[in-house]
Amino acid sequence: NAGVMQNPRHLVRRRGQEARLRCSPMKGHSHVYWYRQLPEEGLKFMVYLQKENIIDESGMPKERFSAEFPKEGPSILRIQQVVRGDSAAYFCASTGGPNTEAFFGQGTRLTVV
Amino acid sequence: AQSVTQLDSHVSVSEGTPVLLRCNYSSSYSPSLFWYVQHPNKGLQLLLKYTSAATLVKGINGFEAEFKKSETSFHLTKPSAHMSDAAEYFCVVSDYAAGNMLTFGGGTRLMVKP
Repeated sequence: NAGVMQNPRHLVRRRGQEARLRCSPMKGHSHVYWYRQLPEEGLKFMVYLQKENIIDESGMPKERFSAEFPKEGPSILRIQQVVRGDSAAYFCASTGGPNTEAFFGQGTRLTVV
Repeated sequence: AQSVTQLDSHVSVSEGTPVLLRCNYSSSYSPSLFWYVQHPNKGLQLLLKYTSAATLVKGINGFEAEFKKSETSFHLTKPSAHMSDAAEYFCVVSDYAAGNMLTFGGGTRLMVKP
């Protein structure tokens, strides 16, 4: 049973390009969280999804950012028209249900040049 | 609304001395509480979790935490620090009223001196 898989591990984008970050949850998990970690800072909640539904996106910027978790396939965090301030580590976590531990991926480190 | 406060952003101890990382939470119902550790440039690893069973929870690497409802605290301790314990530690709360969303504290960076 593979853990949470995130890809790519490192992503470099020029300003104005799009970044797509993928997260495959653990087998059997239907809840996915995305967090952003800026250098020397803690994790900031972005969005909480269940299969085909966005449960809470209160931590996600209103513009340029979107997330989905389709019935089939990985969860995708999409950042359009990236800017230097988007450079960060983005972590995905999955859980099997309420009050169960979250398993984290290794993160995607996005660098905008 | 649920929230988590980690009272110290940095803690420095000498190798072999006790570790105390403090965490207070706010939650509407009976929460589940977790401690995660993040080593530099790594993902997060679960240290331990409390989910309404025993209030003293033992985790990996000699860490333990005690759930104190009256104090709304879930402090992380270890009797003797090791150099490999140097990392960032996150206290996390989850409860039904918040839709089981995970809320992270701001993190505590533990430094271990030789």
